[in-house]
Amino acid sequence: AQSVTQLDSQVPVFEEAPVELRCNYSSSVSVYLFWYVQYPNQGLQLLLKYLSGSTLVKGINGFEAEFNKSQTSFHLRKPSVHISDTAEYFCAVGKTSGSRLTFGEGTQLTVNP
Amino acid sequence: NAGVTQTPKFQVLKTGQSMTLQCAQDMNHNSMYWYRQDPGMGLRLIYYSASEGTTDKGEVPNGYNVSRLNKREFSLRLESAAPSQTSVYFCASRTAGNLFSYEQYFGPGTRLTVT
Repeated sequence: AQSVTQLDSQVPVFEEAPVELRCNYSSSVSVYLFWYVQYPNQGLQLLLKYLSGSTLVKGINGFEAEFNKSQTSFHLRKPSVHISDTAEYFCAVGKTSGSRLTFGEGTQLTVNP
Repeated sequence: NAGVTQTPKFQVLKTGQSMTLQCAQDMNHNSMYWYRQDPGMGLRLIYYSASEGTTDKGEVPNGYNVSRLNKREFSLRLESAAPSQTSVYFCASRTAGNLFSYEQYFGPGTRLTVT
């Protein structure tokens, strides 16, 4: 079975600062990796995904993530955050052979003026 | 194209009451999922349906039943609600067989309170 650990439950940053949200996973088989964002009182939206190929993936709203197989990590980064990036972010992993996703506990990103 | 829709948006139940949460998708997706979201616990899979006609248990199936009514609709039933089932419930769907569409698409959620 796979598992996901998001290393920070809350990340406060100031506007225009860089941010990194950390995600580690464990799995004995090949996986796909995802980052989702949840704005208050809404469902989850896909930010980006790693399926194969280049380990640096770019998503919407200026976010990017790097897949590191040796460290089993998939950290999310943004070089300069905006107030509107305040949301909860979820890392998820799925087996390449299956249809289920396993989600991390979430990281609340709060961008302060 | 409405994506994934869920009804109702909000519901308050008394302990022991039953109810069905409805989910429908108009993206012709094969797989559908029910999750619950609780503070600090992320999303936990309750049940899923990999394809029409099949359903399987997820991580936290106790106290729930599901029906895949057709390809579009996947309902979640609470037969005898308990306060521990107070949560936000999300339905999601996903296509199959397409490498570039492995992500799941989520509905807006149902906020359920059991008193």
